[in-house]
Order: sequence, then C-alpha cells, then structure tokens
Amino acid sequence: QVTLKESGPVLVNPTETLTLTCTVSGFSFSNARMAVSWIRQPPGKALEWLAHIFSNDEKSYRTSLKSRLTISQDTSKSQVVLTMTNMDPVDTATYYCARISRDGYNHLKFDPWGQGTLVTVSS
Amino acid sequence: DIQMTQSPSSLSASVGDRVTITCRASQTISSYLNWYQQKPGKAPNLLMFAASTLQSGVPSRFSGSGSGTDFTLTISNLQPEDFATYYCQQSYSTPLTFGGGTKVEI
Repeated sequence: QVTLKESGPVLVNPTETLTLTCTVSGFSFSNARMAVSWIRQPPGKALEWLAHIFSNDEKSYRTSLKSRLTISQDTSKSQVVLTMTNMDPVDTATYYCARISRDGYNHLKFDPWGQGTLVTVSS
Repeated sequence: DIQMTQSPSSLSASVGDRVTITCRASQTISSYLNWYQQKPGKAPNLLMFAASTLQSGVPSRFSGSGSGTDFTLTISNLQPEDFATYYCQQSYSTPLTFGGGTKVEI
C-alpha cells in the first residue's frame, strides 16, 4: 500500500522560510516512472501544483514561485523536502504531497495523495 | 503556462441525475487530462486519467471524453457520495495546471 504523509510547522511568520517533509512508503524512489509532487490549496480555493522531483533528480517548479521553491529528496529516508522562502500570508494553504506516476505515453497522474497539512502564515 | 477553465463553477443536482462538467485548455493538450474528486476536508482522489481511462476502483457511472482542448466528465445516475468538488488537470507540459473546480451540490 502506497502512503504519503506531510509534516512541518502549522504556523509560520511572514518572511520566514517554510520547510515541509513528505515521508513515503510503499513504492521505490528508484522507479523511474515515479515522482513526488507538492500541491497546495488556499482555503476555499482551487488546487495549485508547486513542484515535483523524479528519481533521476529531474525537477520542475511552478513558474510564478520558481525563485522561492526548492525541492529535494533523501532516498535513504524515503523523504521529499520542499522549502519555500519569504513566506507571506497569501501562502496560507493546505499543502499536499502526492505520488506522480508516468506511463509509456508520458501521462502524469497524481495518485495517491497525502492527507495534507495546513500551514498558516501570520505574525 | 496552459490555463484550464472549468464550467460551471457550481451546479445543483439531485440523486439519480446525469451531470456533465466541462474543462477547456488554453492550447491543445491531446489526451493529457486527468479528473479528481475532492470531498470537504479531504485530499483529492484520482477519478480518470488520459481523458477517458477510469482509475481502478472508481465506479463506472463516471466517464470522461474529449481530446485537444475540450473535455467532459459525466456522472450518470448521481449518488449521494458524488456530491463533491471536481477538478481537471493537464499533464501535457509543465507547469502542471488545474482547473478552478466544479462544486456539485444538492
């Protein structure tokens, strides 16, 4: 069974850096067809893809946040870490990690998802 | 970036109804389109991928169609557990993008 679980602070001060960890079980980081992604959802709003990382260290970032985001992986711990610098109240959201699987036609799909973690940015 | 536009943003329906949600991409994405269902307070759940392929375990009353820029998700014989918000998402190119969501209400 594949599971993902997010962990990190629930409250962050404006201008601080957010560090979130996604701990994965049930699939191998070495599988070239698998990746881990971060997606967020501001309260009452739509989903926003943030970044993903494949086993070969291929990374992609949301265009508007590229300068603030860094995604990395620690395969020995089965963890993927997302850092977001210079946090602002508009970054208040539930942050999800999800597995990406890629088929032979390069269709990417998010499945499954972690339960999510609500991060509030406020002083 | 490819923009995904869903319509309607919300709709009211009854148990047993047939419901159709549309999703339009700002440029052609072939069949690189996924659909997700999200219930309040829960993470999204994959319903459909590659525009029309049902994810394992998803009831057959869900169906998807379309290619290029225009896509639809249809729920036939709406059940009480189907009241939720539905999102489309393109995987044609990065950055990956989602639609704004369609809330299906009673």
